[in-house]
Amino acid sequence: ETGVTQSPTHLIKTRGQQVTLRCSSQSGHNTVSWYQQALGQGPQFIFQYYREEENGRGNFPPRFSGLQFPNYSSELNVNALELDDSALYLCASSKGVAGEVHEQFFGPGTRLTVL
Amino acid sequence: GNSVTQMEGPVTLSEEAFLTINCTYTATGYPSLFWYVQYPGEGLQLLLKATKADDKGSNKGFEATYRKETTSFHLEKGSVQVSDSAVYFCALSATAGGTSYGKLTFGQGTILTVHP
Repeated sequence: ETGVTQSPTHLIKTRGQQVTLRCSSQSGHNTVSWYQQALGQGPQFIFQYYREEENGRGNFPPRFSGLQFPNYSSELNVNALELDDSALYLCASSKGVAGEVHEQFFGPGTRLTVL
Repeated sequence: GNSVTQMEGPVTLSEEAFLTINCTYTATGYPSLFWYVQYPGEGLQLLLKATKADDKGSNKGFEATYRKETTSFHLEKGSVQVSDSAVYFCALSATAGGTSYGKLTFGQGTILTVHP
């Protein structure tokens, strides 16, 4: 069984640019969540996708957007990058069933540096 | 809103010492509680979990008990090893009306270093 994978591993961008991060969920999982982990901090929830629709969003501006595809893989897009967007971006997949909490499996993350 | 508070770190111990990392939470309803571990350069791994009051989660010698009366979920291990050196995160997940399946709210993390 393949775990959660993310690409790229590292990325360097400059202020104002746009970036797309990718996540392949674990087999059998229909829910993908994205988290931002700033250096020395705990992960912060960005948003979650369940069966291709956004299902909950954290306190992040609209320039953070996402997609989930029919195979349940997902993209995180960030427009107009700011220096504070520098962080480790984590993707987690899980099986979603209404009203039930399921274990989330995390990928290794993408380290984004904004210069 | 939901929040998780962990004890300030870093924590430095000698091998075979007893470990406690404190975690308290604020949440509406009945959250599930988790401990995640992050080894250097890696993503998060679930260490243990508890889904209702008085449940004890355990794994690899680590334990934590869901205490609703004190809103706590402290992590303990009787004898730590050098290989336990990592960052430990306490987290909670609450659901309401079937939405936000398992959105996790994390504490700030506690760095544990174990010396031989």
